[in-house]
Amino acid sequence: EVQLVQSGAEVKKSGESLSISCKASGYDFRYFWIGWVRQMPGKGLEWMGITYPDDSEIRYSPSFQGQVTISADKSITTAYLHWSSLKPSDTAIYYCVRQDGGSSYRHWGQGTLVTVSS
Amino acid sequence: DIQMTQSPSTLSASVGDRVTITCRASQSFYTWLAWYQQKPGGVPKLLILKGSVLESGVPSRFSGSGSGTEFTLTISSLQPDDFATYYCQHYSSGSPHTFGQGTKLEIK
Repeated sequence: EVQLVQSGAEVKKSGESLSISCKASGYDFRYFWIGWVRQMPGKGLEWMGITYPDDSEIRYSPSFQGQVTISADKSITTAYLHWSSLKPSDTAIYYCVRQDGGSSYRHWGQGTLVTVSS
Repeated sequence: DIQMTQSPSTLSASVGDRVTITCRASQSFYTWLAWYQQKPGGVPKLLILKGSVLESGVPSRFSGSGSGTEFTLTISSLQPDDFATYYCQHYSSGSPHTFGQGTKLEIK
């Protein structure tokens, strides 16, 4: 069974750095694109980007390019989303997602709430 | 990049109604389109992939159609469990996998 288990909620201050994680299991982590979707409070879903763990290729949405860093460590089957300097507008739920072989996103993590205060 | 426009943004309907949600793309692409359902406080759930393929376990009252730049999600007879927010998403390679802005399906 495919499982994506995300790290817990975070409360941070503006300007701080943060990494959240997504531990994958139940499949060969190396060969499926895995990435992140943002949902700001009361708003819709925004695709941020994905990475292919086997060769570390990363594809970002232009809206998030330069704002976050997506990475994956295939040795521990874990994907990461990193901010070097958080802003209050980064307050959102972040979902880890796995793409099915060039297709849709069947598998989602439980979400990680990130709250950033000024 | 491909932009996805969903309509309507809100839809009021009654149990038993037939409803249709439309998703229009800024560029034509093959049927690399998915539909998701999200309930309040919940994780999005895949309903339809490849434009019209019903995900395993999803009731047959849900259906998807379309190609090119216009796609639709139809619920043939609304059930109480269907009141939620629905999103389309394209996943063609070479472009960000953008979501539509969502359609909130409310009880009339």
